[in-house]
Amino acid sequence: GENVEQHPSTLSVQEGDSAVIKCTYSDSASNYFPWYKQELGKRPQLIIDIRSNVGEKKDQRIAVTLNKTAKHFSLHITETQPEDSAVYFCAATIASWGKLQFGAGTQVVVTP
Amino acid sequence: ETGVTQTPRHLVMGMTNKKSLKCEQHLGHNAMYWYKQSAKKPLELMFVYSLEERVENNSVPSRFSPECPNSSHLFLHLHTLQPEDSALYLCASSPPGLAGDNEQFFGPGTRLTVL
Repeated sequence: GENVEQHPSTLSVQEGDSAVIKCTYSDSASNYFPWYKQELGKRPQLIIDIRSNVGEKKDQRIAVTLNKTAKHFSLHITETQPEDSAVYFCAATIASWGKLQFGAGTQVVVTP
Repeated sequence: ETGVTQTPRHLVMGMTNKKSLKCEQHLGHNAMYWYKQSAKKPLELMFVYSLEERVENNSVPSRFSPECPNSSHLFLHLHTLQPEDSALYLCASSPPGLAGDNEQFFGPGTRLTVL
């Protein structure tokens, strides 16, 4: 089955700086890689996703890169703001019956 | 509000109790999921239903019993739970298509405490 490792577990950044979270996966057949953001006391929400036929995707201040050869993908947040403070989860799946395997999460704290 | 609702939001139960968690979505999705979220651990997929048929059961103890009577409703029946089952239980749904290939929409969760 799929295993997803996520690093770091906590990340503290100054407002305006960039934040990078990295994940590795084990199953080379994985082809869908979403990132979810979970604010304190709230539900996880998708912020960006990438599929295996794409190497990079960007949406405003958020970007995701995928290296299929190395089996890792990363989330990049630029110009961080206090509202970016949350737990971020990466996930990977073979497109088969919704079996997303989540990483353990990264607690991001953006300090003003 | 994402359209996925869960009740109750909080539940305290003894180890000998029987209770049920309910999830409801009216987004037109045809896949629904139960996840367990414990502190400092990854989200754990428990069950997946696609078109009302269970397609995934991740070695979950039999004290957890899912039910999907239709594509809009999902239940998790609980009986003789253990204190280590205390966690946030999240329901999610996803649109038609390959169930693993789409955004999953999460409910707010039920915070379960087993005494």
